[in-house]
Amino acid sequence: DGGITQSPKYLFRKEGQNVTLSCEQNLNHDAMYWYRQDPGQGLRLIYYSQIVNDFQKGDIAEGYSVSREKKESFPLTVTSAQKNPTAFYLCASSITDLPNQPQHFGDGTRLSIL
Amino acid sequence: GQQVMQIPQYQHVQEGEDFTTYCNSSTTLSNIQWYKQRPGGHPVFLIQLVKSGEVKKQKRLTFQFGEAKKNSSLHITATQTTDVGTYFCAGGNQGGKLIFGQGTELSVKP
Repeated sequence: DGGITQSPKYLFRKEGQNVTLSCEQNLNHDAMYWYRQDPGQGLRLIYYSQIVNDFQKGDIAEGYSVSREKKESFPLTVTSAQKNPTAFYLCASSITDLPNQPQHFGDGTRLSIL
Repeated sequence: GQQVMQIPQYQHVQEGEDFTTYCNSSTTLSNIQWYKQRPGGHPVFLIQLVKSGEVKKQKRLTFQFGEAKKNSSLHITATQTTDVGTYFCAGGNQGGKLIFGQGTELSVKP
């Protein structure tokens, strides 16, 4: 059964700590995305990747980093520089990065500050 | 940057009443997509509209794309408790990006 798997479902971060959110897809999609969702603010794009070994900053990239070493994987690191990391993080993928392609989402990771 | 504005932010209806959410963009869109996110869940793709003035239906849901390709609406006829969730529009812009609206949270009272 193809899809997108995000882990963990819940994550807690201590002050000054970097944490990494996992996103894996077996849909053979080229494009992958990370969004942050806060109440009442919809989905805001953090980073996206059109193809392996390439990624671009989205609207709110500060305090985050990503890598795309494999087509299937697009991990997101929330660094200590992100002062307000508490949010719901969603990973998505699409066949290509064209805007007419539907995006498929994972179940999300809820990140909180300890 | 370009924004896609969606209203209302919240809508509370009695079961059986109709519901409409609206999206507006300041610039022409290449396409518009609609997603539904159930409480505690993730967004799920519902439909895409591409042509000017396009209207599509899915059972009780009617989706419209404006003539100028700058606005869109989702109308649900005779809401049911299973319609509860947040509905997002997402517009494709000339730069090849998909811009999400803020979403409309629908609650349905039985």
